[in-house]
Amino acid sequence: GAVVSQHPSWVICKSGTSVKIECRSLDFQATTMFWYRQFPKQSLMLMATSNEGSKATYEQGVEKDKFLINHASLTLSTLTVTSAHPEDSSFYICSAPPRGKKTQYFGPGTRLLVL
Amino acid sequence: QQQVKQSPQSLIVQKGGISIINCAYENTAFDYFPWYQQFPGKGPALLIAIRPDVSEKKEGRFTISFNKSAKQFSLHIMDSQPGDSATYFCAASPARGSGTYKYIFGTGTRLKVLA
Repeated sequence: GAVVSQHPSWVICKSGTSVKIECRSLDFQATTMFWYRQFPKQSLMLMATSNEGSKATYEQGVEKDKFLINHASLTLSTLTVTSAHPEDSSFYICSAPPRGKKTQYFGPGTRLLVL
Repeated sequence: QQQVKQSPQSLIVQKGGISIINCAYENTAFDYFPWYQQFPGKGPALLIAIRPDVSEKKEGRFTISFNKSAKQFSLHIMDSQPGDSATYFCAASPARGSGTYKYIFGTGTRLKVLA
């Protein structure tokens, strides 16, 4: 149990385009999901907390107009990287704790390459 | 106060040996301490987690030791195997009353187990 999926696993796009990444909890409901960014050989950097039915909470230094988050249901959160640039290239990972629990289960990650 | 300090940064262990990774925190409001294993290009996977009301928790070859007074916790991997070669992250989460289940991650330890 406690499986989180992400789609797509890989995406290559041109500079200036927008990219949407989906995060789904497959066998549990999650009122909260988290979006992380990870650079090579570094730790996970929390970007934002996605809240079902309300606005996301962004960490300091993360542009909310650049990284749009929508938590459409208790099993789906999306991250849209708007007007992507090469510096947005990274590994994006989502996580979700089952409702009322503290343990976060992570998705497999999405590798974004902006040309 | 929100930091979790992890050491060592990298670790090389012979097959069959014990791998030990340490983490230290300052915020006494943390009440949940998970460890994650991450392989290259994959999302982190939960290994084991502990709460501060116990001093040790064991699951298979993985053991967490927790020292509340010293504000330190460590991961021990017994009988280390080449398949354990991965990056390990400790994390800490504040108590429920804080209104968030955000994790504070350590910087990671790259473990290599030699065959």
